[in-house]
Amino acid sequence: DAGVIQSPRHEVTEMGQEVTLRCKPISGHNSLFWYRQTMMRGLELLIYFNNNVPIDDSGMPEDRFSAKMPNASFSTLKIQPSEPRDSAVYFCASSSPWRGDTGELFFGEGSRLTVL
Amino acid sequence: QQQVKQSPQSLIVQKGGISIINCAYENTAFDYFPWYQQFPGKGPALLIAIRPDVSEKKEGRFTISFNKSAKQFSLHIMDSQPGDSATYFCAGEFTGTASKLTFGTGTRLQVTL
Repeated sequence: DAGVIQSPRHEVTEMGQEVTLRCKPISGHNSLFWYRQTMMRGLELLIYFNNNVPIDDSGMPEDRFSAKMPNASFSTLKIQPSEPRDSAVYFCASSSPWRGDTGELFFGEGSRLTVL
Repeated sequence: QQQVKQSPQSLIVQKGGISIINCAYENTAFDYFPWYQQFPGKGPALLIAIRPDVSEKKEGRFTISFNKSAKQFSLHIMDSQPGDSATYFCAGEFTGTASKLTFGTGTRLQVTL
């Protein structure tokens, strides 16, 4: 089975440009999470969706960041305008409505963003 | 603010040794404590998890020890192998509605030959 699919895997852009990161969750999963990983701050939850509805976006750093989930199989994280401090690895993760005892999150392989 | 504090930041262990990573949490509402393992260039993946109604959970060479009164839990890797070299994250969560994981800052483990 395909896991969480993220694109692009690597993105290099210049300051001020718009960046769009994409995520396809595992089919049947109803929760989707966007995380940012940096050496300084570790894994930070930016936003998460339940049944395509944003539940908690308190981790979104500022108005330059926005996320959408137009349907159950697709989500985007957009940064406009991008800044060098946005350089990080961005992970998308999904989970099943029946998380049971494991409560497992399934992560994609991440999108490494470098803003020059 | 919900926090999970993790130590050490990095750890070097010889092959065959025991790796120990410690975490402490603040939110007493947390009822689920997983550990995730991340290899370079990959996303984190669930390794093992525990609920606070037990004090220990073992899966192969990996054991979680949980101390509810101290609000601490730890990961023990017995007979550490070079293939265990990775970054390990502890986390806590209240698994009610709209639940979300709070991760520790990570421990980079290197197992040497």
